[in-house]
Amino acid sequence: DAGVTQSPTHLIKTRGQQVTLRCSPKSGHDTVSWYQQALGQGPQFIFQYYEEEERQRGNFPDRFSGHQFPNYSSELNVNALLLGDSALYLCASSLGGRGSYNEQFFGPGTRLTVL
Amino acid sequence: SQQGEEDPQALSIQEGENATMNCSYKTSINNLQWYRQNSGRGLVHLILIRSNEREKHSGRLRVTLDTSKKSSSLLITASRAADTASYFCATGGVTGANSKLTFGKGITLSVRP
Repeated sequence: DAGVTQSPTHLIKTRGQQVTLRCSPKSGHDTVSWYQQALGQGPQFIFQYYEEEERQRGNFPDRFSGHQFPNYSSELNVNALLLGDSALYLCASSLGGRGSYNEQFFGPGTRLTVL
Repeated sequence: SQQGEEDPQALSIQEGENATMNCSYKTSINNLQWYRQNSGRGLVHLILIRSNEREKHSGRLRVTLDTSKKSSSLLITASRAADTASYFCATGGVTGANSKLTFGKGITLSVRP
């Protein structure tokens, strides 16, 4: 039973470029959340996708967008990259139906470096 | 903004000793979860405690939750060198409109062999 997978593992971009990160949830999970973790900090919630729609969003600008596909996998897109976007991007999957306690399982992350 | 505040920020102990880490939060929660992270890799889920629970055990882990004080503690008994990692508490709301996790800054635990 595969856990949460993310690709790529590492990515180097330059300011102003655009990037797409990918996530496949744990088998049986239908909800994907994305988090940004700066060095030395805890993860910060970006947004969550459920039933192919953005269900909740954190305090991130519109440059951050996402998508969820019918197979529950998800993409995170960041446009017009800034140096401050350099971070570890974590994807987490969970069961999103009402009554569950939102236990989230994380992938290994994508390390994004913006030069 | 970060909801959970872990204490201490760093902890260094000898192998075999117990490690106690604390977390405080500000708003009402549905559940609280503890995670471990090794060297900037992905987060490993350790344990979830619901707001109507006071204590939970999993192997060498013991978690308590005091909703009146808005605090939680994670106890790792008989620590091992392999427990060296960063530990985060994260608070969660009810599934649905408020199911995001809000993390603290983490505790760095070093277990000396």
